[in-house]
Amino acid sequence: IAGITQAPTSQILAAGRRMTLRCTQDMRHNAMYWYRQDLGLGLRLIHYSNTAGTTGKGEVPDGYSVSRANTDDFPLTLASAVPSQTSVYFCASSDPRGGANVLTFGAGSRLTVL
Amino acid sequence: AQKVTQAQTEISVVEKEDVTLDCVYETRDTTYYLFWYKQPPSGELVFLIRRNSFDEQNEISGRYSWNFQKSTSSFNFTITASQVVDSAVYFCALRPPSGNTGKLIFGQGTTLQVKP
Repeated sequence: IAGITQAPTSQILAAGRRMTLRCTQDMRHNAMYWYRQDLGLGLRLIHYSNTAGTTGKGEVPDGYSVSRANTDDFPLTLASAVPSQTSVYFCASSDPRGGANVLTFGAGSRLTVL
Repeated sequence: AQKVTQAQTEISVVEKEDVTLDCVYETRDTTYYLFWYKQPPSGELVFLIRRNSFDEQNEISGRYSWNFQKSTSSFNFTITASQVVDSAVYFCALRPPSGNTGKLIFGQGTTLQVKP
């Protein structure tokens, strides 16, 4: 089934540790995104990539980094996790060729930083 | 500034009642798109509708309908004859012009609980 796969589904992490959330899509979408969801704040964009080899900062990029080596993969790295990064992280992708592109979301990764 | 406000944090209704979820947006752009997404208890985000700023025609899809009014910068969502399966968090979102490909600005979300 075409879509977005995120891993891990859930993770508990000690503060200061490095963590990479994985995201893979099989729809050949050019654009990919990472959002975090926090109660009362909705979803906020962390980083995005319009095409392989390019990335950009979203609304809340501090403490996170991304890479886009190919079309399918868009990992999100927390270099040194802090408790404020406890959240649910959603990866998404879209195909701009379709016009006002609709985002397809992964199932989310729940991260708890202690 | 671009912003989406969903003033209703939580709504609780009894099955078969109609319910309207409010969405107010702010943007200086003349071209933009508006979206609604549903997040059921399972956690995934499901696309419901997309609307462009030039199309103010209301839309109906089964029990769902959307009222887009540029004059009041609102894009409200109504569920008619609500069902327990409609229980979810609903997000309204704004997409700026095509130069910001796909970057959605989300509202805070409205949690809808439909009781049997």
